[in-house]
Amino acid sequence: EDQVTQSPEALRLQEGESSSLNCSYTVSGLRGLFWYRQDPGKGPEFLFTLYSAGEEKEKERLKATLTKKESFLHITAPKPEDSATYLCAVNNRKLIWGLGTSLAVNP
Amino acid sequence: EPEVTQTPSHQVTQMGQEVILRCVPISNHLYFYWYRQILGQKVEFLVSFYNNEISEKSEIFDDQFSVERPDGSNFTLKIRSTKLEDSAMYFCATGHPNTEAFFGQGTRLTVV
Repeated sequence: EDQVTQSPEALRLQEGESSSLNCSYTVSGLRGLFWYRQDPGKGPEFLFTLYSAGEEKEKERLKATLTKKESFLHITAPKPEDSATYLCAVNNRKLIWGLGTSLAVNP
Repeated sequence: EPEVTQTPSHQVTQMGQEVILRCVPISNHLYFYWYRQILGQKVEFLVSFYNNEISEKSEIFDDQFSVERPDGSNFTLKIRSTKLEDSAMYFCATGHPNTEAFFGQGTRLTVV
């Protein structure tokens, strides 16, 4: 069964304290792994797509990496405005989602 | 910047009533999706729509649900007879199946 598991469920960081979020997956026929950011009461906002193991993408303080079984979202020197839920999803003709990691960055 | 627009933002309905959720996709996108998110749970795929027909649907998308593109611009999700367990955020998304999907802000459906 296709499945996406994210860890940790919640993470609290001090401003400037770098960390990583994990997304492990099992899927037949991966057509891409997606990272989204979701603020409370809003729709997911696209961050990255990764298609093959070894691929990396960066955007401001975020960097996403992909292996054959998992993806990491590295957050370097986070700021309070990075506080959100970060969602991982894999594409197998439809998006299959993890539960997300709720990130809180304290000033 | 182009965006997906959903209306209404919040809908309260009596159990057993029909509801229609509306979405205006990004104009040059060809694939349309509905997802839902029950409070505290994962985002769940409902249905994808391409070339005026359903291309994929989940087991959640039973006979109570239907989608259509009535006028070539709007994309709607209809729930014929709402149940309490249909209460959720419903998100419309557009894009391409192998690239990113762009999401609307969602409709919060509350069935009472």
